[in-house]
Amino acid sequence: GQQVMQIPQYQHVQEGEDFTTYCNSSTTLSNIQWYKQRPGGHPVFLIQLVKSGEVKKQKRLTFQFGEAKKNSSLHITATQTTDVGTYFCAGSSYGQNFVFGPGTRLSVLP
Amino acid sequence: NAGVTQTPKFQVLKTGQSMTLQCAQDMNHNSMYWYRQDPGMGLRLIYYSASEGTTDKGEVPDGYNVSRLKKQNFLLGLESAAPSQTSVYFCASSPDRLAGELFFGEGSRLTVL
Repeated sequence: GQQVMQIPQYQHVQEGEDFTTYCNSSTTLSNIQWYKQRPGGHPVFLIQLVKSGEVKKQKRLTFQFGEAKKNSSLHITATQTTDVGTYFCAGSSYGQNFVFGPGTRLSVLP
Repeated sequence: NAGVTQTPKFQVLKTGQSMTLQCAQDMNHNSMYWYRQDPGMGLRLIYYSASEGTTDKGEVPDGYNVSRLKKQNFLLGLESAAPSQTSVYFCASSPDRLAGELFFGEGSRLTVL
């Protein structure tokens, strides 16, 4: 079945540094979503990407969908303590349910 | 602005006991889901319901059952709880199963002794 991997598993950064997490799928995806989960909280939707090579920005967050639609990345510029949490990607292959990656846990040191 | 509401938030069971986790959404969404979250494993789909009255197995359905008798409610049952079912359970809903944003409840932490 479809597998979704994320790297790194953990990332510790100093406040102000950049952060990137990568998501890779074993199958071609029709769309990919990104979620953020704060410690002790529930996942909250950030964005959905649909088109090959798509790039979307939300303030300091930049999301990319690979040309082959098998990978994606989330980049945060100049991290802040409010960025702390676990970032999950979730990919859907055509007609299939979304499969979540294991997540990347980000900690930001002030 | 309730969104997705799960009850109970915490539960401790003994092995072999049964219980039902309840989920309600007030957004008139067609699709609802139950996930479990274990450390280092992300969210794994247990069961889903694409529309009222229908249910289907997800990745890890063994030991669980579900029912969706009303559009706004999705129940997850454990008939005979096992320690391996100790987890955090999240209910979610979406307008559309294949493309819509998932709205999650706050989670239910279950411990099976």
